[in-house]
Amino acid sequence: DADVTQTPRNRITKTGKRIMLECSQTKGHDRMYWYRQDPGLGLRLIYYSFDVKDINKGEISDGYSVSRQAQAKFSLSLESAIPNQTALYFCATSDAHIDTQYFGPGTRLTVL
Amino acid sequence: SQQGEEDPQALSIQEGENATMNCSYKTSINNLQWYRQNSGRGLVHLILIRSNEREKHSGRLRVTLDTSKKSSSLLITASRAADTASYFCATAAMDSSYKLIFGSGTRLLVRP
Repeated sequence: DADVTQTPRNRITKTGKRIMLECSQTKGHDRMYWYRQDPGLGLRLIYYSFDVKDINKGEISDGYSVSRQAQAKFSLSLESAIPNQTALYFCATSDAHIDTQYFGPGTRLTVL
Repeated sequence: SQQGEEDPQALSIQEGENATMNCSYKTSINNLQWYRQNSGRGLVHLILIRSNEREKHSGRLRVTLDTSKKSSSLLITASRAADTASYFCATAAMDSSYKLIFGSGTRLLVRP
């Protein structure tokens, strides 16, 4: 089984809809991250969390919110999706003492 | 904003040849990491080099770091078709090494 899983893997939605992307991990890591990737670009950090009670904004948090339901679960929400949020979304985890990050397989989101 | 800029943006080589890709960054770092991404999939960590290291090896991978020039290079020796992927450098800042800033990547094509 994959250590970091994301659901759904693909989603097509309409402008104005609320969307939730979910991430689960079995690595036992405290730190979790949400990134987006646009075609031909690297990843940009949306939100990150050190534990259930510690959530921080990243570089591009506007239009997004997150929830850390448990150490193993970190969800990303788009309250009212817009077309320029069409992108690949990745969840990642890391250990508190090691900077290496482990990525999920990604969610391809299309907002029409 | 993206800290790491990679060069070249795309590289096409014959199987068996070596592939070199470069990364430049702007601010002082704690460490620099290289990741691989197969088409549309999650990133996989390849190697991490700390700011006090100059060179690191892992199998067919060799990474160098020149902090005076704020640059790093990734060399893949004896390339294989399976090495075809996008390669990203990511920098971790001195005061926030948990937060990675990714470059825009190099797309490597290894022709059989």
